[in-house]
Amino acid sequence: DAGVTQSPTHLIKTRGQQVTLRCSPKSGHDTVSWYQQALGQGPQFIFQYYEEEERQRGNFPDRFSGHQFPNYSSELNVNALLLGDSALYLCASSWGAGVGTDTQYFGPGTRLTVL
Amino acid sequence: GQQLNQSPQSMFIQEGEDVSMNCTSSSIFNTWLWYKQDPGEGPVLLIALYKAGELTSNGRLTAQFGITRKDSFLNISASIPSDVGIYFCAGIAVAGNMLTFGGGTRLMVKP
Repeated sequence: DAGVTQSPTHLIKTRGQQVTLRCSPKSGHDTVSWYQQALGQGPQFIFQYYEEEERQRGNFPDRFSGHQFPNYSSELNVNALLLGDSALYLCASSWGAGVGTDTQYFGPGTRLTVL
Repeated sequence: GQQLNQSPQSMFIQEGEDVSMNCTSSSIFNTWLWYKQDPGEGPVLLIALYKAGELTSNGRLTAQFGITRKDSFLNISASIPSDVGIYFCAGIAVAGNMLTFGGGTRLMVKP
């Protein structure tokens, strides 16, 4: 049973560029959430996708956008990259909206470095 | 916005010692979760708590969901070197919604 997978593992970009990160949820899961984790801090919620729509969004600018596909996989897009976007980007999946079923399981993350 | 206050920020203990860390909030959470994260990797779920007052164990780990729904603690008994890492508490305020994380507790174990 495959867990949450993310690609790529590492990425280096320059300021102003655009980046796309990918996530495949754990088998049987239909909800994908994205988090940004700066060095030395806890993860911060970016947004959550369910049924191919953004269900909830954290306090991140519109430069951060996403998509969910019919097979429940998801992409995170960041435009006009800033130095401060350098972080570990984590994807988490869950399978329901009720207490207990909404437990989120994380992938290994994508380390983004913006130069 | 909601915040979780996690303490201590770091602990340096001797192998075999017990460890205790906690998480508090000014808001109510309906689910409390404890994760462990190794450097450069994603958080791994250790224990999930769904009911106020619930006490749950996973091997040497024990966690409790506070009665007020505003706190949780994690205990690790008889620590071993592989317990080294960063432990995060996280809460879900509304079922199905986002996780709010604490700042983490960095645990170091001296053999």
